[in-house]
Amino acid sequence: AQSVTQPDIHITVSEGASLELRCNYSYGATPYLFWYVQSPGQGLQLLLKYFSGDTLVQGIKGFEAEFKRSQSSFNLRKPSVHWSDAAEYFCAVALNFGNEKLTFGTGTRLTIIP
Amino acid sequence: DAGVTQSPTHLIKTRGQHVTLRCSPISGHKSVSWYQQVLGQGPQFIFQYYEKEERGRGNFPDRFSARQFPNYSSELNVNALLLGDSALYLCASSLVLAGAREQYFGPGTRLTVT
Repeated sequence: AQSVTQPDIHITVSEGASLELRCNYSYGATPYLFWYVQSPGQGLQLLLKYFSGDTLVQGIKGFEAEFKRSQSSFNLRKPSVHWSDAAEYFCAVALNFGNEKLTFGTGTRLTIIP
Repeated sequence: DAGVTQSPTHLIKTRGQHVTLRCSPISGHKSVSWYQQVLGQGPQFIFQYYEKEERGRGNFPDRFSARQFPNYSSELNVNALLLGDSALYLCASSLVLAGAREQYFGPGTRLTVT
């Protein structure tokens, strides 16, 4: 079955430390890939996206993600987290045909400790 | 420029009642999508409308319906509310039909069914 998996429900990181959030997908073809962030009580903000080309993509707020076809993964990284990065992070995919609805993972909640 | 707006922000309904949620897309955007986000889960696709026509439907019962108006705003209607309909309902707009690449989300409407 087609799916998006975020294996980490909750991650705690110290401020200033590096961060990696995992995302794996299961689709027949390479979909479009996205990372969104959601602060409490807020809507979703797009951090970055991958459609094709360079497999390392840069996003807003200092985030980057790397697409690895062989592992069906699209992991999100940040070299040094700030307290304001505490939020829920969602990986999402859209098939590159049809109406391109977004299918989301279950999310990873990021807590930052001083 | 104003982003995607949704109304109301919060509402409480009783089982069996009907509810209408409203969404105004970013100016110039012609596609509107609706998502349901149950607490602790990622958003799930409900509908996509483009140029006032339904272009995609997720796996939701017929109690859920939507429409898009000539000014591209949209309504989501849910009949015979169940406790399980309690969720954050998100609206997203995009410029074109194949808009997953540039979808912008509103802050959502928090629906509580008692």
